[in-house]
Formats: sequence, C-alpha cells, structure tokens
Amino acid sequence: QKEVEQNSGPLSVPEGAIASLNCTYSDRVSQSFFWYRQYSGKSPELIMSIYSNGDKEDGRFTAQLNKASQYVSLLIRDSQPSDSATYLCAIASGGYQKVTFGIGTKLQVIP
Amino acid sequence: GAVVSQHPSRVICKSGTSVKIECRSLDFQATTMFWYRQFPKKSLMLMATSNEGSKATYEQGVEKDKFLINHASLTLSTLTVTSAHPEDSSFYICSARRPTGNSPLHFGNGTRLTVT
Repeated sequence: QKEVEQNSGPLSVPEGAIASLNCTYSDRVSQSFFWYRQYSGKSPELIMSIYSNGDKEDGRFTAQLNKASQYVSLLIRDSQPSDSATYLCAIASGGYQKVTFGIGTKLQVIP
Repeated sequence: GAVVSQHPSRVICKSGTSVKIECRSLDFQATTMFWYRQFPKKSLMLMATSNEGSKATYEQGVEKDKFLINHASLTLSTLTVTSAHPEDSSFYICSARRPTGNSPLHFGNGTRLTVT
C-alpha cells in the first residue's frame, strides 16, 4: 500500500464549478498535511496546510482533514482555467523528518 | 516572496561532465534541506536530506558518489551531479522549511538538467 494515495486524474470540471481533490494516507501518526499546486515545468507551490480535524478555508480553497478515516481533501470553489495544474498532497510524519508526496491529481478546468 | 532560491534554473551539459546546483534559504537558517528529483509526468521523489555540518542522508537507490551533497552553511546546500549521463536528465528541486513548529516545505524553482 502506497503511503499517500491520490487519483492521478485528469479531473475535468467546468469553469465556475467546485473541484474536489482527495488524498488518503496510511501512517496514522501523520501530523501535518499540505496541498501543493504544480504547473507543468514548474516547482510545487504551497496552497494550503492543515494540522487538525475539520475544515480550513482560504479564499476559494478549503482543506478538509479527517484523521479517523485517514483522508485529506481540497475543494476549489468557482474553479478557473488558471487553476488547471497538478495538485500534490503531502504528509509529514515522524517528527517532521519525512515528507511524503502523492503522485498528484491533474486538474483541468474547462472554459 | 521567494523563500528558497535555486540556481541555475536550466542547464545543458555533455555526458561525462559534472553539474553543480545551488539551493539557498533566503530569510531563515535551514539546518536541513531536501533534494528531490522529478521525471516527466511522475511524482516528486526524495533523493537525499542535506544536513548542515554533517553527511547527507540518501534515500534507497540513490548513489551518494554520483550525487554529491554539501551543506556547508546554514543557508546553502549544493547538489553536484558527477559524471552526468543522459539518464540523469531530470528536474531537480530543493526545498527547506522554517525551523518553527509545523512549517511547510518551500521549494526552489527547480533546475532542469539536460545531459546530451
């Protein structure tokens, strides 16, 4: 079982819709959870970080964490074509000595 | 603004030569930096953890004699790809995090290495 699992996609949504990206993880002692956005040919850019159960909102982005079910998700409201990118889920554990990335979900927002 | 600076952004070299990539933390001291490699359409793969003042920790399968890491100061880590071959062509990205609480990783802009 992979440590961090994501559907590679592509996930296609129409402009203005809500994009829902999901991530599951296997290490129950994981402590910190991050979403990164990576445009083609560029390095990852931090979008959201979340550390406790529940929702965290920042503009059009909402991160959701459920430690009991071991999943973390990212919702993008009012999706824009500029949101088209690969979204990487990252989990930190082991006293933050190791950060593990999922394979990333490619999001396509159709104008 | 940028938190981690990486240079160069792109390099083309001939097979057999060595290439050095620099990674700097801009406004904080980083005792630990991380080097990743990413092949096209693949996920980030951690190559090694660079430790200031001590030896780097390499992930399984990464040749330490081929990918030399030096972390001589609290703001600079370098990765040298020695005797590069075409199969070393990839996107190399460094990262670091502020030494406070659960700070996230911040990435440099990456180095696109092409070995001809």
